[in-house]
Amino acid sequence: DAGVTQSPTHLIKTRGQQVTLRCSPKSGHDTVSWYQQALGQGPQFIFQYYEEEERQRGNFPDRFSGHQFPNYSSELNVNALLLGDSALYLCASSWSSGGAGEQYFGPGTRLTVT
Amino acid sequence: AQSVAQPEDQVNVAEGNPLTVKCTYSVSGNPYLFWYVQYPNRGLQFLLKYITGDNLVKGSYGFEAEFNKSQTSFHLKKPSALVSDSALYFCAVRALTYNTDKLIFGTGTRLQVFP
Repeated sequence: DAGVTQSPTHLIKTRGQQVTLRCSPKSGHDTVSWYQQALGQGPQFIFQYYEEEERQRGNFPDRFSGHQFPNYSSELNVNALLLGDSALYLCASSWSSGGAGEQYFGPGTRLTVT
Repeated sequence: AQSVAQPEDQVNVAEGNPLTVKCTYSVSGNPYLFWYVQYPNRGLQFLLKYITGDNLVKGSYGFEAEFNKSQTSFHLKKPSALVSDSALYFCAVRALTYNTDKLIFGTGTRLQVFP
């Protein structure tokens, strides 16, 4: 049973550029959440996708956007990159109809903005 | 608003000794609490959860956590630490609303187990 997968593993971008990160959820999961983990910090919630729609967004600007596909996979897009966007981006999946809210995380994408 | 606090940035323990990583929470209603572990350059791995019932919850890799409602704490414990337990540990609380179901994390505690 494949767990949550993310691509790419690492990414280096320049300020002002745009980036797309990808996530495939754990088999049987239909909900995908994205988190940003800055160095030395805990993960911060960006947003969550369910039934191809964005649910509540965390405290992140509109430069952060996403999408969920019919197969439940998801993308995170960040426009006009800033140095402060450098972080580990974590995707987590869960099942909307069961469990106690535990989310299963992928290995993350390390984004470096120079 | 829901929140968790991890008061220790780092915990040092000798191999074979018991370990405790502290977490306190603030929630409205009944708490759903979690512990995750993060190894270097890796994502978060789920260790255990508390929903309701027994205050002592058993999880993966020999870890357990004790829920204490009066002290609003959910400390992670292990009777005998291993060097391989050295990692970053996060406590989290579930924030469930009508339109979302997210986790709110603490700032993390680095556990260092010395041989």
